Amino acid sequence: QKEVEQNSGPLSVPEGAIASLNCTYSDRGSQSFFWYRQYSGKSPELIMFIYSNGDKEDGRFTAQLNKASQYVSLLIRDSQPSDSATYLCAVPGGGADGLTFGKGTHLIIQP
Amino acid sequence: DTAVSQTPKYLVTQMGNDKSIKCEQNLGHDTMYWYKQDSKKFLKIMFSYNNKELIINETVPNRFSPKSPDKAHLNLHINSLELGDSAVYFCASSQDLSGAPTYEQYFGPGTRLTVT
Repeated sequence: QKEVEQNSGPLSVPEGAIASLNCTYSDRGSQSFFWYRQYSGKSPELIMFIYSNGDKEDGRFTAQLNKASQYVSLLIRDSQPSDSATYLCAVPGGGADGLTFGKGTHLIIQP
Repeated sequence: DTAVSQTPKYLVTQMGNDKSIKCEQNLGHDTMYWYKQDSKKFLKIMFSYNNKELIINETVPNRFSPKSPDKAHLNLHINSLELGDSAVYFCASSQDLSGAPTYEQYFGPGTRLTVT
């Protein structure tokens, strides 16, 4: 049974600071990792994916993967109020060959 | 020009009824999915389907059945609705690469089902 753990928050970060979101996973065999953003009342939106150990940067977002520690994180630089949302970490698998999601971290960017 | 669309957006019905939710994707993707997001916002896979295989999450009651008339559509039929079925249901799709899904999934807007 694959499990993905996230701190549900809320995580409150001042505008302009770096928001750091963390995720751990149970299956050491997981090869790919996904970050989705979900605004209240909206559908999840893919923002980053990472397959290799190390960092992957895309604009203000950086995903970090450490397979030895079974840990993946998402950094958001220069946080904006529009970044306020729930961030979902996911790995493939979970009973129907879809994605297994964590419960999400609720991020609040304070103006 | 919606990539993944679902209808209806809201569905209110009584216990015991049978209902369907429709999903269409115009991305040309090979695999489609249904997810359930409960009141605690926990998002859980129910089914995945491509033109070869339906994979069912073993925890899903057999009152739920996906039906795919073609590659671009995956509808969800629910029989004998129960109070616990109240949730938001999301359809999603992804492209296959070398015969396997890439898991970069694109979600529809969701259908909020309320069973009274």
